Amino acid sequence: KAGVTQTPRYLIKTRGQQVTLSCSPISGHRSVSWYQQTPGQGLQFLFEYFSETQRNKGNFPGRFSGRQFSNSRSEMNVSTLELGDSALYLCASSGLADSYNEQFFGPGTRLTVL
Amino acid sequence: AQSVAQPEDQVNVAEGNPLTVKCTYSVSGNPYLFWYVQYPNRGLQFLLKYITGDNLVKGSYGFEAEFNKSQTSFHLKKPSALVSDSALYFCAVRDKNTNAGKSTFGDGTTLTVKP
Repeated sequence: KAGVTQTPRYLIKTRGQQVTLSCSPISGHRSVSWYQQTPGQGLQFLFEYFSETQRNKGNFPGRFSGRQFSNSRSEMNVSTLELGDSALYLCASSGLADSYNEQFFGPGTRLTVL
Repeated sequence: AQSVAQPEDQVNVAEGNPLTVKCTYSVSGNPYLFWYVQYPNRGLQFLLKYITGDNLVKGSYGFEAEFNKSQTSFHLKKPSALVSDSALYFCAVRDKNTNAGKSTFGDGTTLTVKP
């Protein structure tokens, strides 16, 4: 099976712009989660989608949004970018809804905001 | 609420020596515990998990972890470290009522294995 893929791998944007990141989960996985990884804050949970519905949301401002399509692919959007949004954004998929299942992570999209 | 603490930012060991990366957790109820490893410019890779049963869990690449309920700990161990084990290690926790997609991660521990 192909792993979790994320596009693009690298992005450079300026303050005030918006950005859309894409994630394709492992085939058959219906849960897709997004995390923000920064040196100072570690891994912070953004949100999780399951069968096109947002199931969980972390403590991020409304500038961060996402969606999931019927084929389980997910997109994350950040509007009005700030310097502090520079981070590695990781997508993870999980096969089942049960909480004991591990997550499979993509390589991430490194976003730099200038 | 759930939380994870990895008390050491950095662990240094010599190749061939045993290694331990520490993790303590807090959840309301029974925990599901996970260890992941991250190599430079890569996503996280799953190493092992504790769900129930035997307190000693064996995982990938010779790693194992011991669940200790009284000490609320889930330390990662390996009997003989390799230079290739050098990476960033994350402990994660969920409780039974948390969906698979929402994990709480520790801040990570950088393991350096020197030849």
